[in-house]
Amino acid sequence: ENVLTQSPGTLSLSPGERATLSCRASQSVNNNYLAWYQQKPGQPPRLLIDGASSRATGIPDRFSGSGSGTDFTLTISRLEPEDFAVYYCQQYGSSSYTFGQGTKLEV
Amino acid sequence: EVQLVESGGGLVKPGESLRLACAASGFTFRSFAINWVRQAPGKGLEWVSSISASSAHIYYADSVKGRFTISRESAENSAFLQMNSLRAEDTALYYCVRGSWGSRGYFDFWGRGTLVTVSS
Repeated sequence: ENVLTQSPGTLSLSPGERATLSCRASQSVNNNYLAWYQQKPGQPPRLLIDGASSRATGIPDRFSGSGSGTDFTLTISRLEPEDFAVYYCQQYGSSSYTFGQGTKLEV
Repeated sequence: EVQLVESGGGLVKPGESLRLACAASGFTFRSFAINWVRQAPGKGLEWVSSISASSAHIYYADSVKGRFTISRESAENSAFLQMNSLRAEDTALYYCVRGSWGSRGYFDFWGRGTLVTVSS
């Protein structure tokens, strides 16, 4: 199983600041099949990024993904109030999908 | 508009069974994989199972292998998760999720979930 470890567990920032979230895989992610999701309380997750760096439809360009192999990053260039949520990475490159444990982005 | 609506959750005792259903609309159901993902109260996301568009490829998390069975019925635009021998640790909100490809892929649309509680 490809274990994904996200850091930090909690990130405390203010609107307007830049957020950098990390996702590290225990094994290389095949084809860089790495996705990022955002989840707000009481809501299902929402796809932000697929293929490590492709923004999903309707996702603002302040969200960007980068990385390859075992190290991936989600960057939010300038935080808006609605960006404070929990973020998960997920690999879909192996037969057994796995999620990271999540990073809570708080004010 | 893509919609996935789960049903069938509820309160059951350990060892009992439950069958979840996912009703899909707004897309060509037979062309996309379907997945189940769960989230225990206050916890993170856990992938449970996947079924390809043709039903030829089926995968399970080790935590549910041998107890859960995923299936789909294209004529009904529906997918199912049969859950047997339920345990307390299966308590979670179960999401039905569309895979981006026919084989599998990332998770592009999510339902709102159905709650399964396993308790004596």
